Amino acid sequence: DGGITQSPKYLFRKEGQNVTLSCEQNLNHDAMYWYRQDPGQGLRLIYYSQIVNDFQKGDIAEGYSVSREKKESFPLTVTSAQKNPTAFYLCASKQGGAEAFFGQGTRLTVV
Amino acid sequence: AQTVTQSQPEMSVQEAETVTLSCTYDTSESDYYLFWYKQPPSRQMILVIRQEAYKQQNATENRFSVNFQKAAKSFSLKISDSQLGDAAMYFCAYRSRDTGANSKLTFGKGITLSVRP
Repeated sequence: DGGITQSPKYLFRKEGQNVTLSCEQNLNHDAMYWYRQDPGQGLRLIYYSQIVNDFQKGDIAEGYSVSREKKESFPLTVTSAQKNPTAFYLCASKQGGAEAFFGQGTRLTVV
Repeated sequence: AQTVTQSQPEMSVQEAETVTLSCTYDTSESDYYLFWYKQPPSRQMILVIRQEAYKQQNATENRFSVNFQKAAKSFSLKISDSQLGDAAMYFCAYRSRDTGANSKLTFGKGITLSVRP
């Protein structure tokens, strides 16, 4: 079945560590997105990529980095520069004018 | 920049009754998409309904329908015959029709809908 897979479902990070969240899609979609969800804040865009080897900053990119080396993969690294990384992270993909499909999310907690 | 506003953080409805969730948006564009997404406790985002701005007819999907008022920049979701499974957080979202750099989704802050048995 086609879809978007995010892993892990739960992730714990120590202070000062970098962690990487995985997002893989087999929908053959060109565009991929990372959103952060906090209570009462809705979804805020971190980074997005329209094609392989190209990506743009979203509204809250500071403290995050991404890569897009393959069409099906768009990993997000939460760096130690992100001061408040505890949140729920959602990955999405889209093709052309169609609606976006979302993964099941990763819950990141700083311990 | 486009903004999406959902001013009601919570709503409640009696099972089998009808409820309307409000959403307003701000844009200078004339052609765009509007969406309602549902996020149940599993946190999986599920598309409920989609409206294209150039279409005057309001979209309908079974028990879900929208009231799209383009001039007022209003996009409300009506849920008829509410069911217990409708309990979730609902997000209104906007997207430019441009498939380039402006194709990102902009979300409202969401509304938590509870359904009373």
